Amino acid sequence: DTGVSQNPRHKITKRGQNVTFRCDPISEHNRLYWYRQTLGQGPEFLTYFQNEAQLEKSRLLSDRFSAERPKGSFSTLEIQRTEQGDSAMYLCASSFTADTQYFGPGTRLTVL
Amino acid sequence: AQTVTQSQPEMSVQEAETVTLSCTYDTSESDYYLFWYKQPPSRQMILVIRQEAYKQQNATENRFSVNFQKAAKSFSLKISDSQLGDAAMYFCAQLPGEKLTFGQGTILTVHP
Repeated sequence: DTGVSQNPRHKITKRGQNVTFRCDPISEHNRLYWYRQTLGQGPEFLTYFQNEAQLEKSRLLSDRFSAERPKGSFSTLEIQRTEQGDSAMYLCASSFTADTQYFGPGTRLTVL
Repeated sequence: AQTVTQSQPEMSVQEAETVTLSCTYDTSESDYYLFWYKQPPSRQMILVIRQEAYKQQNATENRFSVNFQKAAKSFSLKISDSQLGDAAMYFCAQLPGEKLTFGQGTILTVHP
């Protein structure tokens, strides 16, 4: 069983640019979650999918953020018009049942 | 509000000794799970141990065990026979529903 994978692992971008991250969950996991973690803090929930359906979005997810999971497998998280405050680690997790989430290595975003 | 509090920003332990990390949580849900995750400097979040709230028996995974006090909403992690590889940031988290809520983390240093 391969774990959750995320690409890219690191992304450096200039303010105002758009970025997209990808998450591939553990196979057969129907639930997929996105979290954001800033330095020295615990992760904060952004959104989650059950299969293709996006069932919940945090208020942290502004209009510049959009997430998709078109075929119920991998997911993408896009940030438009990036701001320096978007600099963080973006973590993806997946689960088969709702009781345990397994995390990927994360994508570290730096906005210059 | 769902909150998780870790009151120890940093802890240290000598190799082979025992250390206990503290956590308190607050949820209004009757059905929930509690977790300890470990995040080494490489930043991959790894599940250490899980506790179902409806189980009175404390969870144990090899050298890791918890002291779950439901009435006090306390969930501490005991690491026995500490090893250098245990050095990491440890996060306590609660899961009522689908969203994990994390504490601020405790940095554990293991001295040889």
